[in-house]
This record gives sequence, structure tokens and C-alpha cells, in this order.
Amino acid sequence: RKEVEQDPGPFNVPEGATVAFNCTYSNSASQSFFWYRQDCRKEPKLLMSVYSSGNEDGRFTAQLNRASQYISLLIRDSKLSDSATYLCVVNRDYGQNFVFGPGTRLSVLP
Amino acid sequence: GAVVSQHPSWVICKSGTSVKIECRSLDFQATTMFWYRQFPKQSLMLMATSNEGSKATYEQGVEKDKFLINHASLTLSTLTVTSAHPEDSSFYICSAPPGVATYEQYFGPGTRLTVT
Repeated sequence: RKEVEQDPGPFNVPEGATVAFNCTYSNSASQSFFWYRQDCRKEPKLLMSVYSSGNEDGRFTAQLNRASQYISLLIRDSKLSDSATYLCVVNRDYGQNFVFGPGTRLSVLP
Repeated sequence: GAVVSQHPSWVICKSGTSVKIECRSLDFQATTMFWYRQFPKQSLMLMATSNEGSKATYEQGVEKDKFLINHASLTLSTLTVTSAHPEDSSFYICSAPPGVATYEQYFGPGTRLTVT
């Protein structure tokens, strides 16, 4: 089983749609969780950290369920500029090593 | 915010030659840096952890004699791909945490290596 798994995608949605991405992780000792976005041929950029209490940043909402080892990202009112690959990232144990999920590609269509 | 640079941004080399990629933290010191590799349509895979003043730690399956890592200073780590082959063609990305007590990472812009 992979350490971090994500919806396989791709997701093709119209502008204005709400889209949700799911992620599961296998290492119960993982301590920190993030969503990154990666544009084609670019480095990943931090979208948001994910906390147990859930957190929201504008149109983006992230949730963490430690018991189920599950992370989600909700994007409301999708924009064309949201088109990218969304990477679920989990740290390993107590270190700073990141484990990246395979990514889910989102295409927002006009 | 913290910035990490990489050089070169892209490189084409012939099979059998060696290529050096630099990763620099521009406005902070990094005792640890990470090197990732990303093949087309795949996610980033951690190759190794570069430690200033000590040997790098390699992930399982990554040949340490082929991918030489040198953390020369608190702001510079280099990855040398020795005797490159076409299957080494990939996008190489480094990252660095801005401190020891943080889980944040700052990523370099990546280096695209093509081996012909």
C-alpha cells in the first residue's frame, strides 16, 4: 500500500463548480499535513496546511480526520486559474521528510 | 518569504557524462535540504536528505554512488548525477525547511535534466 493515496482524477469541472479531493495516509505517526498545488513543469507551491480542527482559506477548505487517516480539500466556486495538480503531502514520523501523494489533476473549464 | 534557487533550470547532457545541480537557500540557512525526482505524470519522490556537515541519507533504491550529494555550506547543497543515462532524465527539485522547529518546506524551481 502506498504511504499516501489520492483520488486518481483527472477532474474536469465547469467554472463555478465545487470540487472535493480526498487523500488517505498509512503512517499513523504522521504529524503534519499539507495540500500543495503544482502547475505543469513547475515546483509545488504550498496551498494550505491541514489541521485537525479544519481550516479555511477563502474558497479552499481542508479537513483532517486522524482516526480515519483521511484528508480532504474542498474548492468552492472554481476558477480557471485553479487548474493544476493538487498534491496531498504528509510528513514522516517526527522528521521533516515529506511524502507526496500521486496528485489529482484538476481542469476547470470555461 | 524564504526563497530557494536551483541552477541550472534545465540541462541537456550526453549519456555517460556527469551533471551537477545546485540548490541554494537565498535568505536563510538550511542545515537540511531534500532532493526529489519527478518523472512525467508522476509525483515527487524523495531521493535523499542532504545534511550539512555529514553524509546524506538516501532513500531505499537510490544509488548513493550515482547520485552524489554534497552539502557544502549552510546555504548550498549539490546533487551530481554521475554517468548519466537516458533513464535519469527527470525533473529534479530540492527543498529546504527554514528552520529545525518547523514542518514548512520551501521548494526550488526545479531542474529539468535530459540525457541523450
